[in-house]
Amino acid sequence: DTGVSQDPRHKITKRGQNVTFRCDPISEHNRLYWYRQTLGQGPEFLTYFQNEAQLEKSRLLSDRFSAERPKGSFSTLEIQRTEQGDSAMYLCASRTGSGNTIYFGEGSWLTVV
Amino acid sequence: GQQVMQIPQYQHVQEGEDFTTYCNSSTTLSNIQWYKQRPGGHPVFLIQLVKSGEVKKQKRLTFQFGEAKKNSSLHITATQTTDVGTYFCADEKTSYDKVIFGPGTSLSVIP
Repeated sequence: DTGVSQDPRHKITKRGQNVTFRCDPISEHNRLYWYRQTLGQGPEFLTYFQNEAQLEKSRLLSDRFSAERPKGSFSTLEIQRTEQGDSAMYLCASRTGSGNTIYFGEGSWLTVV
Repeated sequence: GQQVMQIPQYQHVQEGEDFTTYCNSSTTLSNIQWYKQRPGGHPVFLIQLVKSGEVKKQKRLTFQFGEAKKNSSLHITATQTTDVGTYFCADEKTSYDKVIFGPGTSLSVIP
């Protein structure tokens, strides 16, 4: 499969623990996006990268969230000191620098108990 | 900040009926994208509209961009059960930039 890959697909964690999600974009896609989606809502923008550079981070995102794309290929999204309100699906997406189509991964479901 | 709104929130139709969802913004939209998300799935890109007044068709789906670039619509002719899902419009602020999603319209098709 050459689509956007996310891992893990499901994560249950206790409040206060740290979690990390990984995203492998489609090969040669230099733009990578992270979104968060809760039930019944549209995807909410978190941050995006062009190659290894983080171009924008949502102002709604607390300092507990950090994302990296160290070599311009895969990306990680870390949430520190998780809270119950962090429970959501975390979606990664990618596209080329010249393409309109954004390809989403299947998402990583986070449940904070 | 800029908000993208969609109506209706939910729509239930009998199979074979038509369906339309509307996307509106108080500010001028840049490039409009439409996505479909099946229950339990992830958003799938359908199309992008760029020009004022643009109309594009994909089989039974017709997409329009308003003349003032403040609204857009998606119309499905003769719905089928395979059309079930949530349809999102999203505004791409500048080319290849982030996209801001609307809240979506959830479509149910009764066979």
